[in-house]
Amino acid sequence: AQSVTQLDSQVPVFEEAPVELRCNYSSSVSVYLFWYVQYPNQGLQLLLKYLSGSTLVESINGFEAEFNKSQTSFHLRKPSVHISDTAEYFCAVSEADAGGTSYGKLTFGQGTILTVHP
Amino acid sequence: NAGVTQTPKFQVLKTGQSMTLQCAQDMNHEYMSWYRQDPGMGLRLIHYSVGAGITDQGEVPNGYNVSRSTTEDFPLRLLSAAPSQTSVYFCASSASRALGSPLHFGNGTRLTVT
Repeated sequence: AQSVTQLDSQVPVFEEAPVELRCNYSSSVSVYLFWYVQYPNQGLQLLLKYLSGSTLVESINGFEAEFNKSQTSFHLRKPSVHISDTAEYFCAVSEADAGGTSYGKLTFGQGTILTVHP
Repeated sequence: NAGVTQTPKFQVLKTGQSMTLQCAQDMNHEYMSWYRQDPGMGLRLIHYSVGAGITDQGEVPNGYNVSRSTTEDFPLRLLSAAPSQTSVYFCASSASRALGSPLHFGNGTRLTVT
């Protein structure tokens, strides 16, 4: 069975500082990896995803994540954060079945609360 | 452009009461699911459906029932509420059979059982 571990429950940083949110997963089969973001009192929104190909994936608002198969990690980074990045971030994994489909059945990590201070 | 709509937004129940959390999506997605979110535990899958008439259990199904009579709707039923079911519930959908299909989430239902 797959599992996801987010190594930090809370990450406080100052505005314009770099940040890394760590995520490790375990699975015995091919996986798809996702980062979701949740702003207060809202549902989760997809931030970025890794399906195949280049191991470095980027979002439209400056976040990036790198898939490292040997370390089974998918850490999320941003070189300079803004106040508006304050949110909870979830790493998730989806296993592909024999036919290559995943049905969107995700296993989520525990979440990391990113707080950006002025 | 509604996406995934959940009702109600908030609900307070007494132990033993029953209720149905509603979820509807207008994207013609085959796959729908229910998660519960608890502090420090992330989101855990309760039940899911890969199409009308097909449902299956997730990680934490006990105490919950689902049905999928149409593609659009996927209600979650609590037959006899317990304080352990106090949580935030999210419905999500995706276009299944698509490679790494992402989930689209509703805004959640915050349930308190006293």
